[in-house]
Amino acid sequence: QVQLVQSGAEVKKPGASVKVSCKASGYTFSHYGISWVRQAPGQGLEWMGWISPYNGNTNYAQKLQGRVTMTTDTSTSTAYMELRSLRSDDTAIYYCAREAGDYWGQGTLVTVSS
Amino acid sequence: QLVLTQSPSASASLGASVKLTCTLSSGHSSYAIAWHQQQPEKGPRYLMKLNSDGSHNKGDGIPDRFSGSTSGAERYLTISSLQSEDEADYYCQTWGTGSNWVFGGGTKLTVL
Repeated sequence: QVQLVQSGAEVKKPGASVKVSCKASGYTFSHYGISWVRQAPGQGLEWMGWISPYNGNTNYAQKLQGRVTMTTDTSTSTAYMELRSLRSDDTAIYYCAREAGDYWGQGTLVTVSS
Repeated sequence: QLVLTQSPSASASLGASVKLTCTLSSGHSSYAIAWHQQQPEKGPRYLMKLNSDGSHNKGDGIPDRFSGSTSGAERYLTISSLQSEDEADYYCQTWGTGSNWVFGGGTKLTVL
């Protein structure tokens, strides 16, 4: 069965970087893009960007341009999302999802606090 | 600009039916959407993809109580025989250019 399994919770200081992983199984990884979505406490869902494991093409949300980088490792069927220059308002649960929206990771809580 | 609009809240009684609405912005009435459910303290769960012609493809294990329909720029999610576990936030989502996603603001469903 299709699964997306994410890395564990992180606590970071303002200005630091975080890298979240998303390991896919149960399907051909290169056939589907991966989107990253975040949800701040008590807020709705915010799309962050998308990456194609097939060719590495990316598309980032405008508000995160310059701070976010998405990559994939096809040898391990893993997608990564790195967010730099963290601020307190980056505190959120971060999700990966298959580009069709049909499968989601379990979420990774990233807390940014001094 | 591609925008999805949802009512912030809805309520219905246990065992009744409820119809949630997601409205596509002008000029985008042909777009397909997806409905996602987010129960309290859980991650989003894919319910279905709903096409502009009303056809829909449900996710794994989604009960028959959940159905989708379309009218023009409106996309509906109907939940029948409401159960307590249906109390959740419901988000619609669509796909824009360059594989970007757009979310509606979500509807909080209360089961009375």
